[in-house]
Amino acid sequence: DVQLVESGGDLVKPGGSLRLSCAGSGFTFISYSMNWVRQAPGKGLEWVSYISSSSNTVLYADSVKGRFTISRDNAKSSLYLQMNSLRVEDTAVYYCAFGVAPASSLDYWGQGVLVTVSS
Amino acid sequence: SYELTQPFSLSVALGQTASITCGGKNIGSKDVHWYQQKPGQAPILVIYRDSNRPSDIPERFSASNSGNTATLTISGAQAADEADYYCQVWDSSTVFGGGTKLTVL
Repeated sequence: DVQLVESGGDLVKPGGSLRLSCAGSGFTFISYSMNWVRQAPGKGLEWVSYISSSSNTVLYADSVKGRFTISRDNAKSSLYLQMNSLRVEDTAVYYCAFGVAPASSLDYWGQGVLVTVSS
Repeated sequence: SYELTQPFSLSVALGQTASITCGGKNIGSKDVHWYQQKPGQAPILVIYRDSNRPSDIPERFSASNSGNTATLTISGAQAADEADYYCQVWDSSTVFGGGTKLTVL
């Protein structure tokens, strides 16, 4: 079965940094582009970042551009999100997700990890 | 950037039909996907590429897409269908609608 397991969530002060990880199993990780999607408390889904299978293409939402960096290690079947200069408004559950077709639906999601930015 | 508009909430009587709309400029030219999310859970895909249902999704879920509106239809809504529903397209990146809270009365 496909599994995505996020980790690294924590309480961090504004201006701080955090690195999220997502471990994939049950599928050929190297074959698929990956995404991070977040959801602030009581709010809707917000796409955050995308990375192609070979890491050649990375995309970011305007709200995180210049502060967040997506990366992956295909040898470890792992996806990462380095988050710097964190703001209160970055408080959210962060999900990793992927689709079997590029630029299409997100067919598989992890259970999410909570990031809280507060002083 | 591309925007998707959904009604904030919708109520449907048990066993009746619920139609959730997703508006976007010329959305009919794009592939639309729909997700269901229950409290405390990750989203799950219920419709992909306008009208296709994953094998584990009940037949009462259907969808269409034309012009400036895509629609998710739940025929014979059940209590288990009470959830938030999001539409999504790809427009140089993933774009989500604001979500619709469906209440089954």
